[in-house]
Amino acid sequence: GAVVSQHPSWVICKSGTSVKIECRSLDFQATTMFWYRQFPKQSLMLMATSNEGSKATYEQGVEKDKFLINHASLTLSTLTVTSAHPEDSSFYICSAIQGPGQPQHFGDGTRLSIL
Amino acid sequence: RKEVEQDPGPFNVPEGATVAFNCTYSNSASQSFFWYRQDCRKEPKLLMSVYSSGNEDGRFTAQLNRASQYISLLIRDSKLSDSATYLCVVTRRNFNKFYFGSGTKLNVKP
Repeated sequence: GAVVSQHPSWVICKSGTSVKIECRSLDFQATTMFWYRQFPKQSLMLMATSNEGSKATYEQGVEKDKFLINHASLTLSTLTVTSAHPEDSSFYICSAIQGPGQPQHFGDGTRLSIL
Repeated sequence: RKEVEQDPGPFNVPEGATVAFNCTYSNSASQSFFWYRQDCRKEPKLLMSVYSSGNEDGRFTAQLNRASQYISLLIRDSKLSDSATYLCVVTRRNFNKFYFGSGTKLNVKP
């Protein structure tokens, strides 16, 4: 149980393209979803916390207009990296929780490479 | 001071060894505790939750010490497949904020 699916796994695209990443909880309803990015050999960095039907809460230093988050249902959240540039290249990971006090379950991650 | 601190390692141990990691947390209001493992270039995977009474899952034992504000993970009879980075995760009472340690790298060698 508690499976989180993230799609796509890999994206390679040109600078200036917008990229959309989906995060789905397959067998549970997620009260909250989280979006992280991780650079090589570094820790996970929380970007934003997303609750269904409300605006995402962004961490300090994360541009909300650059990283658009939509949490339309209890099983789906999307992250759109708008006008991506090479410095946005990273490993993006989503996670979801079933309820307060429950552990996070992570998606497989999306490796984004901007040329 | 960081919310959660871990020794980055690496811990280099031979197969069959017993190894232990500690993780300290700074906020006494912390409520829930977890250990995750992360393999290179992969997502973190939940290893185990940590309960006040301590808990064991096969070769893995987790302990919580609220007085000293640390949690520990003990791995017995290490396998090559245990090589990974182990992340300590702590949440506060509002539960929506998770604090990650930077991870402890374990290398199990033949």
